[in-house]
Amino acid sequence: KNEVEQSPQNLTAQEGEFITINCSYSVGISALHWLQQHPGGGIVSLFMLSSGKKKHGRLIATINIQEKHSSLHITASHPRDSAVYICAVRLRRGGGADGLTFGKGTHLIIQP
Amino acid sequence: NAGVMQNPRHLVRRRGQEARLRCSPMKGHSHVYWYRQLPEEGLKFMVYLQKENIIDESGMPKERFSAEFPKEGPSILRIQQVVRGDSAAYFCASSQQGTLNGYTFGSGTRLTVV
Repeated sequence: KNEVEQSPQNLTAQEGEFITINCSYSVGISALHWLQQHPGGGIVSLFMLSSGKKKHGRLIATINIQEKHSSLHITASHPRDSAVYICAVRLRRGGGADGLTFGKGTHLIIQP
Repeated sequence: NAGVMQNPRHLVRRRGQEARLRCSPMKGHSHVYWYRQLPEEGLKFMVYLQKENIIDESGMPKERFSAEFPKEGPSILRIQQVVRGDSAAYFCASSQQGTLNGYTFGSGTRLTVV
């Protein structure tokens, strides 16, 4: 079982719809990232969360540490939001800052 | 601030050749992370480096792969005697002081082994 599970794996919606992507993790973490990747493109860090909620434009990210769950919401979705959204966690380990562990991503397509 | 710079963007190598991927972190970032994204798979951690030190290489294959981050110059991920299975996108990220603050990814190097 992966330490980070995302759902749905694929999501197609109409322009303007409210989008929710979920991420669950099975271990203790110190931080969670939401990332965006366009086909053939680089990776953009959207949010880093350790508690609560963050908002940037039409994007909202929430995290519930007790339930080991995070959601990424997109309001008033637009075709340019079409991308892969990846949840990544920094596992709580001893020692220095090490790398992220990733979910497999959610492929989002917003149709005009 | 040019962000995290990776080059080349695309690299084609024949089987058995060496591949050298470079990553220049953001200004002020002293921590570098390398990740690999195999076709149709998720990202996997490879190695975490600070200047002149490898901190965590638990994700690196034991053979043919090496990484360095010298005092001067970019971080280098080196793959010797490449095989077709090494074909992937390799991403570098950098951060300040190892706290994941300002965690920024490069655009990646897409390696194709023919």
